[in-house]
Amino acid sequence: DQQVKQNSPSLSVQEGRISILNCDYTNSMFDYFLWYKKYPAEGPTFLISISSIKDKNEDGRFTVFLNKSAKHLSLHIVPSQPGDSAVYFCAASEGRGGGADGLTFGKGTHLIIQP
Amino acid sequence: KAGVTQTPRYLIKTRGQQVTLSCSPISGHRSVSWYQQTPGQGLQFLFEYFSETQRNKGNFPGRFSGRQFSNSRSEMNVSTLELGDSALYLCASSLDLVGTQYFGPGTRLLVL
Repeated sequence: DQQVKQNSPSLSVQEGRISILNCDYTNSMFDYFLWYKKYPAEGPTFLISISSIKDKNEDGRFTVFLNKSAKHLSLHIVPSQPGDSAVYFCAASEGRGGGADGLTFGKGTHLIIQP
Repeated sequence: KAGVTQTPRYLIKTRGQQVTLSCSPISGHRSVSWYQQTPGQGLQFLFEYFSETQRNKGNFPGRFSGRQFSNSRSEMNVSTLELGDSALYLCASSLDLVGTQYFGPGTRLLVL
């Protein structure tokens, strides 16, 4: 069973607008969450993380929101730029770092920024 | 600071063979984790090494093994290759067991 789900395989957003990527999780033991971006033929690049003691973390154009009661997190990118076109992975773990079971990843959302 | 490097980048093997992949972590990082990415299963955790010891292991058969050297470099080995082992193998390093994991470019393995 998938413990981390990204239900939108792809998302198309106009340049300059807000991109919102969503992620749901089922394991209530997860307390650390990360977003990675991946370009073809490259490894995932770390973007931003959030601990379960917070509900929001911001870094430049990227903001991650965590709703623990709904077991839901989202990544907001404002404003969206052409270089943001990539596959975005949501990851979770029990504890910082990978935890005993490593990072658990969603299947990814392909974000396409249209000019 | 140089990032995580993985060698080789591409590899073609046949069923039954074995393969060894190498990972050099970011300088100063002591923890190395390995992940397998396939179209069907996505990114899955293989194992994590810290101070030359395997700390955690994912749900993979014993054909998958690894080790870490005193300079934190790591290798993973897959024996008796199967077609289903075709995948992108990613290595990630972190300062320690609770640090953010930074990924290398991966080794793409094709088993024929």
